Amino acid sequence: GQQLNQSPQSMFIQEGEDVSMNCTSSSIFNTWLWYKQEPGEGPVLLIALYKAGELTSNGRLTAQFGITRKDSFLNISASIPSDVGIYFCAGTPYNNNDMRFGAGTRLTVKP
Amino acid sequence: DARVTQTPRHKVTEMGQEVTMRCQPILGHNTVFWYRQTMMQGLELLAYFRNRAPLDDSGMPKDRFSAEMPDATLATLKIQPSEPRDSAVYFCASGPRSGTEAFFGQGTRLTVV
Repeated sequence: GQQLNQSPQSMFIQEGEDVSMNCTSSSIFNTWLWYKQEPGEGPVLLIALYKAGELTSNGRLTAQFGITRKDSFLNISASIPSDVGIYFCAGTPYNNNDMRFGAGTRLTVKP
Repeated sequence: DARVTQTPRHKVTEMGQEVTMRCQPILGHNTVFWYRQTMMQGLELLAYFRNRAPLDDSGMPKDRFSAEMPDATLATLKIQPSEPRDSAVYFCASGPRSGTEAFFGQGTRLTVV
């Protein structure tokens, strides 16, 4: 019901390529968030989305809050080696104020 | 530089011992979350608080885990007695308002032997 399905599970790309990952749910979410986690650290917030249809950029990162409020995607343009890490989507369900996480997308960038 | 502070960063303990993990949320944030991260289960929500009141701790094994906020600057997660299956990284996160973004600490890596 309120679980987040994140895909792909992992990606191996060449430096300079663009990356796209997404998150879906069977129920409506009020907030979508994207985080990046590096080894030994906590997740770091990249982008927060609060309105259906909202498109927000943070440098080379762009994320959108889906019109149906049941999905979100994150794009990374012109990837660089320091983009390596695990990217998580997270969201706040419409009928709750907690915050749930997807399983993560592990990104590897080959120089 | 506002950040969530967690202590200790690492803890190794023997099975059966009590473990207490502490979190100092960002000043002014009214929402605090506790998560557990493992390879198998990912990031699991254990409990969360708003204005120091527990709103949901359904993700927590009640028989051994407890979470409290004795004041606005301190959140604690306690495990008693600890078991090897509790080995994981425990994260605290705080947010300025319910339903908005949250900021994570660096985590406590717990190993129960």
